[in-house]
Amino acid sequence: DIQMTQSPSSLSASVGDRVTITCRASQSISSYLNWYQQKPGKAPKLLIYAASSLQSGVPSRFSGSGSGTDFTLTISSLQPEDFATYYCQQSYSTLSITFGQGTRLEIK
Amino acid sequence: EVQLVESGGGLVQPGGSLRLSCAASGFTVSSNYMSWVRQAPGKGLEWVSVIYSGGSTYYADSVKGRFTISRDNSKNTLYLQMNSLRAEDTAVYYCATSILVQGGFDYWGQGTLVTVSS
Repeated sequence: DIQMTQSPSSLSASVGDRVTITCRASQSISSYLNWYQQKPGKAPKLLIYAASSLQSGVPSRFSGSGSGTDFTLTISSLQPEDFATYYCQQSYSTLSITFGQGTRLEIK
Repeated sequence: EVQLVESGGGLVQPGGSLRLSCAASGFTVSSNYMSWVRQAPGKGLEWVSVIYSGGSTYYADSVKGRFTISRDNSKNTLYLQMNSLRAEDTAVYYCATSILVQGGFDYWGQGTLVTVSS
């Protein structure tokens, strides 16, 4: 199975900060990488698909980059509603889909 | 409008069985790949199973041989039959699908809680 490792596991930041979360795959997954945001008690929400494509309706302050094994999710200017947990997910392996362990973004 | 509504969760004893349902509307389940994803209390997301439009099915190692994913095209509903349940299967179970994007799950249900406990 392809392992997905996110860093950091948690992060404290302030409104207006620029934040970057990284995700590393245990083998090359080309650009088959997706990012989700999850708030407590809610289902995950797709933010970025295919590593860098912004899902419809998602604010442009969110962006994704990378290919192969290393990927990043960047929030250019944190807003109060962005404090949540973020997950990466690989869709390269159609036999076994895997998520990263999550990054909890908290208010400083 | 696309909608996914899970049901069937509840309290079950270790070793017991449960069948989850995911009723879909706004699209055809047989035309898309659909997955079950679970989240144990306070933990991260764990992919459980997928069924592709052609009918192929795959499972996480943690549930292989115990869980079965299926669909009823006439009811436009996805199922997850869970047998030999263990305490570690306790989680919120979500159904999810990829409709408008390639690879990512762009639609999710609200989740249904399964608690395995004596």
